[in-house]
Order: sequence, then structure tokens, then C-alpha cells
Amino acid sequence: EPEVTQTPSHQVTQMGQEVILRCVPISNHLYFYWYRQILGQKVEFLVSFYNNEISEKSEIFDDQFSVERPDGSNFTLKIRSTKLEDSAMYFCASSEVMNTEAFFGQGTRLTVV
Amino acid sequence: AQSVTQLGSHVSVSEGALVLLRCNYSSSVPPYLFWYVQYPNQGLQLLLKYTSAATLVKGINGFEAEFKKSETSFHLTKPSAHMSDAAEYFCAVSDRVNKFYFGSGTKLNVKP
Repeated sequence: EPEVTQTPSHQVTQMGQEVILRCVPISNHLYFYWYRQILGQKVEFLVSFYNNEISEKSEIFDDQFSVERPDGSNFTLKIRSTKLEDSAMYFCASSEVMNTEAFFGQGTRLTVV
Repeated sequence: AQSVTQLGSHVSVSEGALVLLRCNYSSSVPPYLFWYVQYPNQGLQLLLKYTSAATLVKGINGFEAEFKKSETSFHLTKPSAHMSDAAEYFCAVSDRVNKFYFGSGTKLNVKP
């Protein structure tokens, strides 16, 4: 069964460093998303991406964040200068078309120290 | 605007007992509703979805949910709990455009 894959599964980084979280969405999907879940809190929307551009972003997704689809398969989330409060589980998701369910990856646990 | 409220952050049932996890939603458009399950150290797996067809939706692992517009509810049920059902369950509503809004989750504990 096709699945969304994320790498790495766990990343530890020092405050102020840049991190790139990688995702390979399901191959025929057109819509891509990043969500995050701070420990003990809700899963929060960060950004959606369609047709090589951001469709919508939340207030969390400030200038420190960026997304890219550098080739036909990868979808990345970059945090330029990490803060302690960026520590969270980051989930990538994709959907085939609008209004269908999103398929989520296993997540990348980011720990900023 | 869309939002989801899950009543009860922790629910504990005995093996074989009925599982009932509550979800109420708010939506400015006819909603699309979802239940996801998260096992420890894993991602979010879709259990079932409501997208304006039948109001009683059957999902995987014996779970089902009923959409009740008058009550703005989409509660998740399973007639008989198994130990393997222990996980965290998230209700979500879609804005039909770009994103999902998740509830804060309910952790299900199943006692032997």
C-alpha cells in the first residue's frame, strides 16, 4: 500500500541551526501539507502546497519556515533558525485531490536543544 | 470557521466493552469529518471519514461513526474493545479547501 515516508524519524539540533525535514508523498497525490504536534497538544496545521506554491499557511508558519518541492518526489520543510519552541513532531501529509482524506507520514520528532 | 472538540482526554474501558469517543464540530460549510488513530511512536492513520454520503460510516478495525447534523456530532464507536485498540484517537474536520482542523485527542486505555 502506498504511504507517505518521512526522514529522519528523529532529529536533534542546536538552537539557531537550520533543519530540513524531508517527505516523500504518495506518488499520484497533488496536495501536500505539513502539520506539527507539540508534545501533549493538538495537531496543528502549518502549510498546504499545491501546484508548486503555497496554498495556505497558518500564523505559525512565519519567515523562519519554508517549503519546497525540489524534484518530482520530495517535499521539504526548512526551519532556518530553530528555536526551543520548535521542538515537536512534524507530520507530512498528502492527498490525491482536494476534499479527500490526507495520508500522513510517521512523523519526524524534532528536538531543539 | 472550523473547529473540533473532543470530550474526554482519557477514556478507559474493559476489554469487550463498548467504546464511545465523543467529537463535536463547528463548521461554516457542510463538513467533511474524519477520525484518525495514532499508535505510540507512529503517524496518524485514517480510521474513517464522512464526506456527505451515508451518515453512518464504517471504518477499519470495527470502528464506526455517525454524523448527526442536529447535534453537530461525529462520535466514534466500537461494540467490543480489544487490547490492540489502545491508542490516541483524533477527530478532524476539513475546511474543504486546504486544511484539517484536529481535536485535542482522546487516549483510549483498554483494561484486561
